[in-house]
Amino acid sequence: NAGVTQTPKFRVLKTGQSMTLLCAQDMNHEYMYWYRQDPGMGLRLIHYSVGEGTTAKGEVPDGYNVSRLKKQNFLLGLESAAPSQTSVYFCASSAGGPPQYEQYFGPGTRLTVT
Amino acid sequence: AQSVTQLGSHVSVSEGALVLLRCNYSSSVPPYLFWYVQYPNQGLQLLLKYTTGATLVKGINGFEAEFKKSETSFHLTKPSAHMSDAAEYFCAVSGMDSSYKLIFGSGTRLLVRP
Repeated sequence: NAGVTQTPKFRVLKTGQSMTLLCAQDMNHEYMYWYRQDPGMGLRLIHYSVGEGTTAKGEVPDGYNVSRLKKQNFLLGLESAAPSQTSVYFCASSAGGPPQYEQYFGPGTRLTVT
Repeated sequence: AQSVTQLGSHVSVSEGALVLLRCNYSSSVPPYLFWYVQYPNQGLQLLLKYTTGATLVKGINGFEAEFKKSETSFHLTKPSAHMSDAAEYFCAVSGMDSSYKLIFGSGTRLLVRP
């Protein structure tokens, strides 16, 4: 039981390049989330999904797209990376929506955009 | 609307001393409150949560927090700090609505001196 895994762990992009971050969970959770963590700002929700085939915008969705084609996977895409997207990205999953259900976090992806 | 304020971006204590990390919240609905811990290069892990009922909540690793509605506070304490407690701690709030969101504070880094 690996919990929540994220691929890759580190990535360096040049401005304008694209990439996809993969999140996978093996807990059969319905809900999945993408957050970004920036110094002094805590975690901010980018997008989330309440089930397979559904996605919704969080606090800071601009410049990102997501897809949830399979229940266990939640993909975060950057179509044209910008230096402002340099951050640590965390994926999380939960059996149901907050606050009743605990969110389980992956180890994070550190992204640098130059 | 909900928000969380964590007082002090860094707190330093000696090993064996009391740990007190402060969290104040703002919420237009009855809040659910959480403390998460993040060890270096890892994802977030739930320490404890307040939903309803008893206002003193006990969590893992000897931590506890008390919900004080009159002070809109949810401070985290531990009677005796251990070197292994050195980490970043995040307070978060969620409401009894359908927003599916956790709102995080900016975090407090706890340093434990030998």
